[in-house]
Amino acid sequence: QQQVKQSPQSLIVQKGGISIINCAYENTAFDYFPWYQQFPGKGPALLIAIRPDVSEKKEGRFTISFNKSAKQFSLHIMDSQPGDSATYFCAASMLRNDYKLSFGAGTTVTVRA
Amino acid sequence: GAVVSQHPSWVICKSGTSVKIECRSLDFQATTMFWYRQFPKQSLMLMATSNEGSKATYEQGVEKDKFLINHASLTLSTLTVTSAHPEDSSFYICSATPGLAGVEQFFGPGTRLTVL
Repeated sequence: QQQVKQSPQSLIVQKGGISIINCAYENTAFDYFPWYQQFPGKGPALLIAIRPDVSEKKEGRFTISFNKSAKQFSLHIMDSQPGDSATYFCAASMLRNDYKLSFGAGTTVTVRA
Repeated sequence: GAVVSQHPSWVICKSGTSVKIECRSLDFQATTMFWYRQFPKQSLMLMATSNEGSKATYEQGVEKDKFLINHASLTLSTLTVTSAHPEDSSFYICSATPGLAGVEQFFGPGTRLTVL
């Protein structure tokens, strides 16, 4: 049973556009929400992460929005570039427990020039 | 950021043989390491969690006798796939966390295993 539900499965965006990926969770014990970027044949790389005491976090063109009451969080990629074409995974963890990550199913983003 | 390496990056083996994959944290001490497998176009599936000097904790459905994990030091964990079968062909990825010194998991580049 997937503890983190991610949508959409894939999306296509024009260069300069905004990519939005959504995730939802049920376990209120989760207290760490990272996003990973993965290119084909490579391991995932941490993009940005948020804790539940913050509603938004921005790093460069990447922004996480977090809604604790709705148990949802999303990744916004602003000014999308062809180099952003990758698969993005949201995840959730209980840091005071065992650091294990529960991953979403992934979203394949294609940025067209 | 912290660097995690894996060796080999790809391996091809015959059915029935064993394959060892190494995972190293290069610039930090990893109190905990994780092993995942990933099938094409799918998410990462956690196989096991290993802590230095203790037995690995396997996820439900993962055969501990088939996937042997050894976390011999704070910078090295190994995964041995024993008596490999074609269905074991997959992308194996490790990650490491410094634990109390930091919360992030840093992932290795992955190992592509093909069993003929």
